This record gives sequence, C-alpha cells and structure tokens, in this order.
Amino acid sequence: DGGITQSPKYLFRKEGQNVTLSCEQNLNHDAMYWYRQDPGQGLRLIYYSQIVNDFQKGDIAEGYSVSREKKESFPLTVTSAQKNPTAFYLCASSIEDNDQPQHFGDGTRLSIL
Amino acid sequence: DAKTTQPTSMDCAEGRAANLPCNHSTISGNEYVYWYRQIHSQGPQYIIHGLKNNETNEMASLIITEDRKSSTLILPHATLRDTAVYYCIVRGYSSASKIIFGSGTRLSIRP
Repeated sequence: DGGITQSPKYLFRKEGQNVTLSCEQNLNHDAMYWYRQDPGQGLRLIYYSQIVNDFQKGDIAEGYSVSREKKESFPLTVTSAQKNPTAFYLCASSIEDNDQPQHFGDGTRLSIL
Repeated sequence: DAKTTQPTSMDCAEGRAANLPCNHSTISGNEYVYWYRQIHSQGPQYIIHGLKNNETNEMASLIITEDRKSSTLILPHATLRDTAVYYCIVRGYSSASKIIFGSGTRLSIRP
C-alpha cells in the first residue's frame, strides 16, 4: 500500500536533547515537507525539499534541521535550540505540480519531559 | 501566496448538506484551491481541489465562483464521521510556493 509513514507516533525529549523524527514515503514523490501544528492552530511549514540533496527553510525553521539523502526519506531533527518543541509534527509529500495534492502521514506528537 | 479566510466553526444536522465557505480574494491565476480535513490527532486528509470549474468526487463537491475569489465545499449528506476541521488552501505552481494552512473551520455534525 502506498503512503507516508511517520515514526514514532509519540516521542519524549529531555531538556538539551536532540531528537529525530522519521518520515518515509513510497509514493515516488519528489517533494517532501515538514509541518508543525500547535493545539487549535493550523499547520506551519518548517522545511521542504523539492529534490534529493536539496531543501529550503519554511516559516519556522529555527531550531530544526533536515536532510534529504534519499528520495523516499526526509528526517527532521528537533535540536536543543528549539525552546518550545512540544507540538504535533506532520510530514507530507507531493508530486512537483500544483495540480496534485499533498499526502500526509499520521504525525508524531513530541513532548518535553 | 494567497491566503484564505474561513469561519471558525459551523454545525450541520446529520443527513443534511454541509456547505463550508472560503474566501481567497488574492488568489492568482495559476493557483488551485484545495480542501483538506483533519480529524483529531491524525494527518490531514485530501478531499478535493479545483482551478476554475466546479468539481465533484466521491467525497464532496467544490463550487468556485466565476471571479475565483471564493469557493464552497459541499458535503452532500453529512454523517457523524464528517466531524473534523476543514482547511481551505491555495497552492501555487511548485512546492517552492509555500502552502499556508490557516486555522480552518471546525465542523460539528449533530445527530
């Protein structure tokens, strides 16, 4: 079954710790995205990648880093520089065409211990 | 990129049509209108999209005004499972044109 897989579903971070959220897609999509969602809010774009080995900052990139070494994978690292990391993180992918929808994973909920 | 304006919340009786409005008065000629919905603690689910013409699929219908400054998502026979937050967004040509998700409309279906 084609789709986007995010793991883990729940993640806890200690103060000063970096954590990495996984996002894998088998849809053969070129573009991948990371969003952050806070309670009662819409989605805000963190990073996106249009092609392997290239990525761009979104609106709220500070405190986050990404890599795109493979087409199917776009992991997000939440660094210790991100002072308010508690949120719901969503990964998406799409064909590089505005006539095609983004497909979303089921998200990772990150909390601070 | 164009932004959208939606009512914060709406409700609808089960079995009736739910009509969700969206304003996108600054939409550009090559931008599509997309609708997604999000059920609590899940990823957004794609519903429908369109450019100029009205569109229909198995989930919903999308009515876009002639000037393209607004649109309406229609769920023809709402069920309790349609309770969700509905997002209207506009999308430019490439992923480099950022997609902006607003706060959406919280739709409640009452029995």
